[in-house]
Amino acid sequence: EIVLTQSPDFQSVTPKEKVTITCRASQTIGSSLHWYQQKPDQSPKLLIKYASQSISGVPSRFSGSGSGTDFTLTINSLEAEDAATYYCHQTYSLPLTFGPGTKVDIK
Amino acid sequence: EVQLLESGGNLVQPGGSLRLSCAASGFIFSSYAMSWVRQAPGKGLEWVSTITVSGRDTYYSDSVKGRFTVSRDDSTNTLYLHMSSLRAGDTAVYYCAKDYDWLLFFFDYWGQGTLVTVSA
Repeated sequence: EIVLTQSPDFQSVTPKEKVTITCRASQTIGSSLHWYQQKPDQSPKLLIKYASQSISGVPSRFSGSGSGTDFTLTINSLEAEDAATYYCHQTYSLPLTFGPGTKVDIK
Repeated sequence: EVQLLESGGNLVQPGGSLRLSCAASGFIFSSYAMSWVRQAPGKGLEWVSTITVSGRDTYYSDSVKGRFTVSRDDSTNTLYLHMSSLRAGDTAVYYCAKDYDWLLFFFDYWGQGTLVTVSA
């Protein structure tokens, strides 16, 4: 099973600040890594596919990078509505696995 | 507009059974793989099961294999999860999720979830 770890676990950020969340896979997964945003009491929302590909309707301040074992989700100029937990997700092999999540709070 | 509406969640005793349903609309249901993902209270996301187009193939996490069965009815656009031998560790919100494409194993639409509580 491919284990995904995320850092940090929690981040408190002021609006307009840049946020960087990292996801590390226990083995190489190419670009088979996707990012979701989950706001409180809501279901997850797909933000980025295949490490760096944008999703229609997702604000351009969200971007992703990386390949192999190390990946990054960047939120440029954080907005109050971005308060959420962010999860990475690998589809390189079964079982599908998710990272433990990074909670982003707005100061 | 794509909509996924789960139902069937309930309080059930350990060892009991339950069937979850997910009613899909707004897309060609028969053309997409579908999955179940769960989230224990206050915890992260855990993949449970995936069923391919036409139900030809099914996949399960080790934690539910042999106890849960995923199925689909393309005539009614409904996804099911039959759960048996339920344990306290199965307590979670269960989401159904639509595959991004034919079978890519990541999800562009999720339902609102249905809560399953396993407790005596």
